[in-house]
Amino acid sequence: KAGVTQTPRYLIKTRGQQVTLSCSPISGHRSVSWYQQTPGQGLQFLFEYFSETQRNKGNFPGRFSGRQFSNSRSEMNVSTLELGDSALYLCASSFPQGIGELFFGEGSRLTVL
Amino acid sequence: DQQVKQNSPSLSVQEGRISILNCDYTNSMFDYFLWYKKYPAEGPTFLISISSIKDKNEDGRFTVFLNKSAKHLSLHIVPSQPGDSAVYFCAASARFAGGTSYGKLTFGQGTILTVHP
Repeated sequence: KAGVTQTPRYLIKTRGQQVTLSCSPISGHRSVSWYQQTPGQGLQFLFEYFSETQRNKGNFPGRFSGRQFSNSRSEMNVSTLELGDSALYLCASSFPQGIGELFFGEGSRLTVL
Repeated sequence: DQQVKQNSPSLSVQEGRISILNCDYTNSMFDYFLWYKKYPAEGPTFLISISSIKDKNEDGRFTVFLNKSAKHLSLHIVPSQPGDSAVYFCAASARFAGGTSYGKLTFGQGTILTVHP
């Protein structure tokens, strides 16, 4: 069974640009969550999508947005990039019932110059 | 406001001995707790979880203990192996509290475990 797939794995952007990251969940998983990992803040929850609807949102500015498609694949977008957005962005999928653990992808490493 | 805290940034143990990783939480709404292991350049991997209706859960070499009154949980690894060397994250969720926090986990800062041969 294929795991959670995230693309791209690495990318470099400059301040002011925007970026889109993609996540394909495990087959059958309908919930997708996004997390940001930085050395200073650890792993922080960005948002969660289920059935193409945002079900939960963390404490991030509106520059961070996401969406989910009918096949459960998800994308997140960061606009007007800042240096502080440099981080590992992790996607996780799970069954929708809220029981059980999250399965994480390997992440997309974003560097903002 | 850090609702989940792992106060030990690192832990070093000898192969074959017990590793004990600790985690404290402040939010009384948390009712489901998980431990994840993470290697560099990889995503976190689920290890073991425990619901607040239990005080202990075992899976092979891994045991998680929950003390609700103290808002404290710990992960015991026995015996420790060099392959266990990684960063361990404690996470919590209000999953069964009638809320909608299904995919929302609050993580601790992590503890780097090093197991020496």
